[in-house]
Amino acid sequence: AQTVTQSQPEMSVQEAETVTLSCTYDTSESDYYLFWYKQPPSRQMILVIRQEAYKQQNATENRFSVNFQKAAKSFSLKISDSQLGDAAMYFCASSLAGSNYKLTFGKGTLLTVNP
Amino acid sequence: GAGVSQSPSNKVTEKGKDVELRCDPISGHTALYWYRQRLGQGLEFLIYFQGNSAPDKSGLPSDRFSAERTGESVSTLTIQRTQQEDSAVYLCASSLVGGAGQGPYFFGSGTRLTVV
Repeated sequence: AQTVTQSQPEMSVQEAETVTLSCTYDTSESDYYLFWYKQPPSRQMILVIRQEAYKQQNATENRFSVNFQKAAKSFSLKISDSQLGDAAMYFCASSLAGSNYKLTFGKGTLLTVNP
Repeated sequence: GAGVSQSPSNKVTEKGKDVELRCDPISGHTALYWYRQRLGQGLEFLIYFQGNSAPDKSGLPSDRFSAERTGESVSTLTIQRTQQEDSAVYLCASSLVGGAGQGPYFFGSGTRLTVV
């Protein structure tokens, strides 16, 4: 079984600053995927970034990047140059390669961006 | 359509009643997923449809829950004899092929179900 833990229920950041959201996971499998999703008040989940566990290189998508520490089972999300539109719930999730249609989610971190 | 469409957006029902939630996936997407999001929680997997294959129902919490999908089109999630613990947002997603590893999921905006 997989578990995903987000230890920060809430975070805040000043506009244009950088913030890092934490995520740890637990799995006995060696092949899996990790994700960060954003959920604005509209409730629609939006994929922010994806990481394949077998890849050493950290994934990046514009202002979003991850720090993937496989041995420590840590997968943090860094948001650079924060914008007001980044305010949302952020969920970390994982899936096993053998059943990668099943995502296991953490409880989320509510990010507030202050002008 | 342009995105995944779910209806109704909100539903209030009395305990013990049956409810049907509808999901219209993006046209051409073979894979469809249902997740449940309880207040203050992450999403929980419920069921997965992939083309004409048998669905994976392993996430359905009880036999009061069932889901159907006709081909690669609309899906309905039915909850019979609703209980207060069924109150949650029910999210549907679709993807071009099965599996989050292969490509992104596109989520709908969900149905907020409140059982009173």
